[in-house]
Amino acid sequence: EPEVTQTPSHQVTQMGQEVILHCVPISNHLYFYWYRQILGQKVEFLVSFYNNEISEKSEIFDDQFSVERPDGSNFTLKIRSTKLEDSAMYFCASSVNSPGQGAETQYFGPGTRLLVL
Amino acid sequence: SQKIEQNSEALNIQEGKTATLTCNYTNYSPAYLQWYRQDPGRGPVFLLLIRENEKEKRKERLKVTFDTTLKQSLFHITASQPADSATYLCALVGGSQGNLIFGKGTKLSVKP
Repeated sequence: EPEVTQTPSHQVTQMGQEVILHCVPISNHLYFYWYRQILGQKVEFLVSFYNNEISEKSEIFDDQFSVERPDGSNFTLKIRSTKLEDSAMYFCASSVNSPGQGAETQYFGPGTRLLVL
Repeated sequence: SQKIEQNSEALNIQEGKTATLTCNYTNYSPAYLQWYRQDPGRGPVFLLLIRENEKEKRKERLKVTFDTTLKQSLFHITASQPADSATYLCALVGGSQGNLIFGKGTKLSVKP
């Protein structure tokens, strides 16, 4: 069964450094998402991406964050200058269609655990 | 603002019993609601989706109900097994592009 993959599984970085988290969504999916989960807290939406542009973003997704689909398979999340509070599990998700075209399941990757020291 | 609450942070039950988890929402009229399972250190895994015009949905030992008047969904696992131990998340679609708003989850522990 196809699945979303994410690399690396763990990333440790120093405050102020840039990190790039990588995701390979399921191949025929068109909508892509990033979520994060701070330890012990709920899963929170960051950004959605469709047709090579951001379609929606949350308040968390400030100027320090950016997303890119550099080729036909990868989807990346970049944090320009990491802060201690960016430490969290970051999940990538994808879906075939948007809810506007019917209720859609999102498929989540296993996550990247980011630790900012 | 839109809010989703899963009233119990943790639920402990004996193997073979039925687990019932509750999800309440406010300031929202969702067209559908989803339930996910999350194991420690893993991403959420989709379980069931129920639409606003459906009162109940079943899949094997799982059953979901959706009461739009009460603004509540109940998630049942019948004949529970230790392998059902996990955190169960309720989710609603928060935006036009499908971003999900999750509840904090209920951690279910099924004891043998």
